[in-house]
Amino acid sequence: QKEVEQNSGPLSVPEGAIASLNCTYSDRGSQSFFWYRQYSGKSPELIMSIYSNGDKEDGRFTAQLNKASQYVSLLIRDSQPSDSATYLCAVNMLSGGSYIPTFGRGTSLIVHP
Amino acid sequence: DAGVTQSPTHLIKTRGQQVTLRCSPKSGHDTVSWYQQALGQGPQFIFQYYEEEERQRGNFPDRFSGHQFPNYSSELNVNALLLGDSALYLCASSFRGEDYEQYFGPGTRLTVT
Repeated sequence: QKEVEQNSGPLSVPEGAIASLNCTYSDRGSQSFFWYRQYSGKSPELIMSIYSNGDKEDGRFTAQLNKASQYVSLLIRDSQPSDSATYLCAVNMLSGGSYIPTFGRGTSLIVHP
Repeated sequence: DAGVTQSPTHLIKTRGQQVTLRCSPKSGHDTVSWYQQALGQGPQFIFQYYEEEERQRGNFPDRFSGHQFPNYSSELNVNALLLGDSALYLCASSFRGEDYEQYFGPGTRLTVT
C-alpha cells in the first residue's frame, strides 16, 4: 500500500529556533510534493511545492527533496508562536494509471515563547 | 480574488440519509478535488473532477458520487450515510488537473447520528 509517513509529534521548539519536519513516501515514481499548514479547526493551507531534488526556499520556509531516499522535509527558520499548527506532507502517488494526492497524518508543531 | 468556497459549513444528518455538499473553486481554477478528513488524520482523496468528468478516484465506495458543472463548481453526494462518514469534507481547487498546487476551501463538518 502506498503511504506517506510523518512523525505525529508534537515537535516542540523555542521561539527563534529552526523547526525541522520530515516526511517519507513509498512510491519511488512520485514527482510532486507539497507541504500544507493546518491550524486547529481550519482547512489546510498550501505552504510550498517542490518537484526537483534539492532545496527550495520561500521566506522562512525551505523544502528539501531527496527522491533517491524518498524523503522530503520542511525547515522553518526563526520559528514564531504563530507557526504552531499541524504540518501535512502530500505526495502525488501513482495509482491505477493516475496520480492520486496522498497525505500523511501530519506533524504537530508547537513553538513556545 | 475569491478563494474556494464551500456550503454548508456544518451539517447534521441521520444514519441512512443522503447529503449533498457544494464547492465553488478559486477564480481561474477549473479542477475540483474532494477529500474526507477524520479527526487526527490527514485528508483522504475521494475523487477529482475536471472538464465535468471524474478523472481520478480514491478508495471510497460508490455511495460517494459527485458532479461538476460548466462553471466548474462541484457537488459531493453521499448516500446511505454511516456513522463513520462523520468527518470534515474538504474541497480543493487547482488548474488543469492532478499535478498542480491545490487550494482548499474552509470545509463542511458533517456529523452523522
